[in-house]
Amino acid sequence: DAGVIQSPRHEVTEMGQEVTLRCKPISGHDYLFWYRQTMMRGLELLIYFNNNVPIDDSGMPEDRFSAKMPNASFSTLKIQPSEPRDSAVYFCASSLSQNNSPLHFGNGTRLTVT
Amino acid sequence: SQKIEQNSEALNIQEGKTATLTCNYTNYSPAYLQWYRQDPGRGPVFLLLIRENEKEKRKERLKVTFDTTLKQSLFLITASQPADSATYLCALPWMDSSYKLIFGSGTRLLVRP
Repeated sequence: DAGVIQSPRHEVTEMGQEVTLRCKPISGHDYLFWYRQTMMRGLELLIYFNNNVPIDDSGMPEDRFSAKMPNASFSTLKIQPSEPRDSAVYFCASSLSQNNSPLHFGNGTRLTVT
Repeated sequence: SQKIEQNSEALNIQEGKTATLTCNYTNYSPAYLQWYRQDPGRGPVFLLLIRENEKEKRKERLKVTFDTTLKQSLFLITASQPADSATYLCALPWMDSSYKLIFGSGTRLLVRP
């Protein structure tokens, strides 16, 4: 299996622009998670899905952030409009449905908003 | 609210020694705890899981302990190697959902040859 695939690996954009991050989970995993990692705040959970349905989005910072999972093999995280404070590494992870299953992370998208 | 604390200072040790990393948590009793390794530019990679009824777990040179009284987990790497140099993160399930993991800030380990 190729693992969790994220694109792009790097994204540089100007403040105010829309940014879309993409994720392909491991086939057969029915949980998908979006995390954000910064030096100051570490790894923070933004939102997670079960069987393509958003279960908890309490970690989404504000209305500028939205996430979708139109099918079992694809998810997007959108920021509109982007701000410099959104600069971080965004990770997607997937797991099986057992409640202590490990998370399988992608290699992240490094977002820089200037 | 739940809190996880890991030593933010890097741990610098000589090759062949045992590295001991600490994860402390407060305010609740998790059913399990996980440890991950993260290399620069990469996502975290799962290493070990230990459940609340397990005191200790081993995998090759890795050993994890779980003391629910002290609210602490130790992660040990014996016979450390320079290739073990990475950041190690502990993770616990949230109180309101066992599917949500909250991560510590990680401890960076440097193993000198």
